[in-house]
Order: sequence, then structure tokens, then C-alpha cells
Amino acid sequence: NAGVMQNPRHLVRRRGQEARLRCSPMKGHSHVYWYRQLPEEGLKFMVYLQKENIIDESGMPKERFSAEFPKEGPSILRIQQVVRGDSAAYFCASSPVTVAQPQHFGDGTRLSIL
Amino acid sequence: KNEVEQSPQNLTAQEGEFITINCSYSVGISALHWLQQHPGGGIVSLFMLSSGKKKHGRLIATINIQEKHSSLHITASHPRDSAVYICAVGGIQGAQKLVFGQGTRLTINP
Repeated sequence: NAGVMQNPRHLVRRRGQEARLRCSPMKGHSHVYWYRQLPEEGLKFMVYLQKENIIDESGMPKERFSAEFPKEGPSILRIQQVVRGDSAAYFCASSPVTVAQPQHFGDGTRLSIL
Repeated sequence: KNEVEQSPQNLTAQEGEFITINCSYSVGISALHWLQQHPGGGIVSLFMLSSGKKKHGRLIATINIQEKHSSLHITASHPRDSAVYICAVGGIQGAQKLVFGQGTRLTINP
């Protein structure tokens, strides 16, 4: 039973380009969470999605960031027109129900902006 | 003030020592999680607690709901326990997201 799969593991982009981060939840999990860890800082919530629905996006920056979890396929975190400050580790987690259940984390995507 | 406070921020100990990491939170929650992040960066969920105490191998986690406090203990510590330990709470005001402490960097010397 595969765990949460994130790809790519490392992503390098130049300023102004777009970054697409993918997350496939564990089998049977319908809840996906995205978190960001800036260098030398703690984890911060970004967005919580269920299939085809954004449930809570209170942690998402107002501009350039978007997320989706389509009926088929992985969840995607999209960052448009990246800037140096977007350099961070982005983690995806999934759970079968809610935060009352343990969340299973992926290995993260390390995004570096040149 | 952060909603979740961990102490200490850094902890260095000798192999075999008993380790305690503390977590305090300031609001009502539905669950508290302890996570482990290794130098490679991956995150592993160690425990999820809503009351009482849980044990897994050499790791023990406790929570006191009235005092809004949790502890993570490691018995007979080993260098491979060296990692960042993160406390996270969920269910604040009914929200599903996790709110994280800043983490405790644990180093166990042989």
C-alpha cells in the first residue's frame, strides 16, 4: 500500500516561471492538505481539499497560488510567476476523514527559485 | 503569541538518557499530533492523541486536556532518534487544518 507520493522531489525554477507540485494521496484517502516549510521556519498550513472541492484555503497567499484536487488524478499546487521568497519545502498530507485521524505525509517537494 | 509552543527548542543528550519534549497550546482542540522530521526532510506521524497516554516502542506521548499540555518521552535514547520533533494541534474552532509548533531539534550523542 503506497504512501503519499509527491513529485517532483526537487524543482528548480527561474523567477517568473510557473511551478506545479503534485500529490497523490494514500489509497482510500479523500482529504488532502498542503503545508509549506520556509527555510529555518516551522510548518504552516496552506490549503485543505477534498475531491473537487477546496474546503479551507485560509493559509494560501492571496495571489499567484492555487490548488486543486480533481475527481481523477493527483492534487496539484500551482505557483505562478514564482519569486525568490517561494523557495521552500512543500509537503502534502492525506487522511481518510478529518484531523481526528492521523495524517500521512509525503516526502515533500523542495522548490528552489533562481 | 503562537497557539502552539514547544520546549525546549534545542536539546542535546547522551545516548541512553531519558528525553522529554513539551508542548503547550492555548485553545480548545480535537486532537494533538506528534511528528518526527529527519535531516533528509521527510515527516513521519508518531502519535495522534485526544486524551490520556500512548506508547509505541521507546516512545511515550501523554496529553492533559485540562492543562492544554502534552509531552513526548523517549526512553533509552539512541543516536538514530536525532531529529526534529514537531507538535501539531487540529480542530481549533472546528477547522480541519493543523497548527504546528516550531519544533524541537534533538541531538543524541553516542
